[in-house]
Amino acid sequence: DAKTTQPPSMDCAEGRAANLPCNHSTISGNEYVYWYRQIHSQGPQYIIHGLKNNETNEMASLIITEDRKSSTLILPHATLRDTAVYYCIVRVNSGGYQKVTFGTGTKLQVIP
Amino acid sequence: EAQVTQNPRYLITVTGKKLTVTCSQNMNHEYMSWYRQDPGLGLRQIYYSMNVEVTDKGDVPEGYKVSRKEKRNFPLILESPSPNQTSLYFCASSPLGKNQETQYFGPGTRLLVL
Repeated sequence: DAKTTQPPSMDCAEGRAANLPCNHSTISGNEYVYWYRQIHSQGPQYIIHGLKNNETNEMASLIITEDRKSSTLILPHATLRDTAVYYCIVRVNSGGYQKVTFGTGTKLQVIP
Repeated sequence: EAQVTQNPRYLITVTGKKLTVTCSQNMNHEYMSWYRQDPGLGLRQIYYSMNVEVTDKGDVPEGYKVSRKEKRNFPLILESPSPNQTSLYFCASSPLGKNQETQYFGPGTRLLVL
């Protein structure tokens, strides 16, 4: 799996959009971008994933650049409950699951 | 309820005393995995299993063993625990296949090795 690079921490005002960047410059053509988050010391929770098109679900939006070397997770209206560590990972999604590398993630602090 | 369960949730032990942390999932997932989490190091994969009797090393397998005799269970075995294995451990499971989306994580097991 390709390695990812994320800023160690970010702040966001409550009610504003939180934009979390991730660099994955060595991503392969068949690798997907996944985002998870971890609140306190609970098990990580899946947020969203995508291959090359932008994706949106009830939790967030995922914007992937055209060259696929970076992506941004957008939480449109951040709340205090969104304070967590956010992980960006890339991996193949075709049955060959392989190793998964999470990295250290971005600690998002939502400020009242 | 679909879930991944781990036992025990908290464990204090001494160096060299063999221990097993159990992991069970009720979703009929093929893929299961163990991670450890340490301050400043994020989540690191220890071992994973693609199906029954199929296991492989992750990034930090030293000092650990696993087995996958049944699809639902994936125990993590520390034959001779050492203090550097003090950590927060997570088990996860996932279906395999083209449209599988996510790993489901257990609640974690906090281990202290004295």
